[in-house]
Amino acid sequence: DSGVTQTPKHLITATGQRVTLRCSPRSGDLSVYWYQQSLDQGLQFLIQYYNGEERAKGNILERFSAQQFPDLHSELNLSSLELGDSALYFCASSPGSANEKLFFGSGTQLSVL
Amino acid sequence: GIQVEQSPPDLILQEGANSTLRCNFSDSVNNLQWFHQNPWGQLINLFYIPSGTKQNGRLSATTVATERYSLLYISSSQTTDSGVYFCAVARGGNEKLTFGTGTRLTIIP
Repeated sequence: DSGVTQTPKHLITATGQRVTLRCSPRSGDLSVYWYQQSLDQGLQFLIQYYNGEERAKGNILERFSAQQFPDLHSELNLSSLELGDSALYFCASSPGSANEKLFFGSGTQLSVL
Repeated sequence: GIQVEQSPPDLILQEGANSTLRCNFSDSVNNLQWFHQNPWGQLINLFYIPSGTKQNGRLSATTVATERYSLLYISSSQTTDSGVYFCAVARGGNEKLTFGTGTRLTIIP
C-alpha cells in the first residue's frame, strides 16, 4: 500500500458527461500529481499541485481541470467527455515540490461509452 | 522532449531465471525512477536512482548517467514479478517525469 488513496476505482459514464476523480496524498506529502495512462499514449503527466497551488502543467486538455484543497486532497475534473478520454487516471504524491520519489495510488479506470 | 527507450519490449522467462531490463534516455537527467505495474494495474516504485547502484532484495538497479542508460536486474524470478516495468526520467528544474513504453515481463511457473 503506497498510502495514496484514489476514488472511485472504476467509473463508467457517457460521452458529454462530467466526472470528478479524487485523490488523498500520503500523510505529510504536499505535492499531488495527476497522470493519464492510455494504450496509445502510455503514461502522460497532466498536472501537479504543491501545497494548494498549481506547480506544473503537462499534456492536460482544456476540458480537464484540477485543484488541491487546504487538507491537501486533490480532485481532477473531466468534462464534455469523449470516447478517447477512456483511460486509467493515476494520482501520485511526494513530500516536496521538486522531482522526488513518487508514490502512486491504485488509479481510477474511466470508461466513456 | 526527452526520449526514453526501454528494451526488450517483451520478456518471457521460467521461474527462477535472471533478467536484465534496459532504459536508454536521450538527454542528461537528474531524476530516474523504476516502477513495476502489476497485473492489477498498481504502479509500485522500485527505485529512485539518478546515478549509481542500489539493491533491494532480489532487485537491483544501476544508472550510468554519463552514458545515459539504466539497468534493472531481477534475480531468481518469481511469478509475482510478472507485469510491466517502466523507467521514468526527468531533466533539471521543474520538469516532470517522462515514462518509457515499458518492458512486459511474464514469469512462467
